[in-house]
Amino acid sequence: DAEITQSPRHKITETGRQVTLACHQTWNHNNMFWYRQDLGHGLRLIHYSYGVHDTNKGEVSDGYSVSRSNTEDLPLTLESAASSQTSVYFCASRKGPQGDTQYFGPGTRLTVL
Amino acid sequence: KNQVEQSPQSLIILEGKNCTLQCNYTVSPFSNLRWYKQDTGRGPVSLTIMTFSENTKSNGRYTATLDADTKQSSLHITASQLSDSASYICVVRSGNAGNMLTFGGGTRLMVKP
Repeated sequence: DAEITQSPRHKITETGRQVTLACHQTWNHNNMFWYRQDLGHGLRLIHYSYGVHDTNKGEVSDGYSVSRSNTEDLPLTLESAASSQTSVYFCASRKGPQGDTQYFGPGTRLTVL
Repeated sequence: KNQVEQSPQSLIILEGKNCTLQCNYTVSPFSNLRWYKQDTGRGPVSLTIMTFSENTKSNGRYTATLDADTKQSSLHITASQLSDSASYICVVRSGNAGNMLTFGGGTRLMVKP
């Protein structure tokens, strides 16, 4: 069955380290998204991509970067992890038009000490 | 600023009882509104999507309503089950060029036996 996966599911790192969170989908969806979810906030968009080599900044993009070298993957990189980036990160994908459903991955819980 | 407010923040009900969750939004222009269910430790899963012209939509024991004039939506759960314990997130898509999503903070529902 087609699916969307994230790895690792849990990560603990130190302040200043570079961290990359993986997102892989097998639906061949063009559109992929990264969100963070924190207590007291709804899901907030970090970066998104509408296709290979396309990347766009979302609402809370500072300190994060993404790259899209193929359709299936959108890795999220924290260049220099900060304690404020401790959060649960969700990747999502969508086939096409804005009315289509976004399918979310299981999430990655990141702790920055 | 586009905002989505949900109430209550949390709710405890007995198995078999009904409940209603509220969502108020200020997103403009409006495109569509979705309700998602998020089980603990999982990504959100879409329950319903409603466009401007739709007042009511059902998905099994879940019934969503939309009043586009007052910018309010509700999610009614009938004959609750233990498996309904989850967070329910209201998400509104804007109709402007960016078509961005605004997420509510969610209502955490606990169904007790």
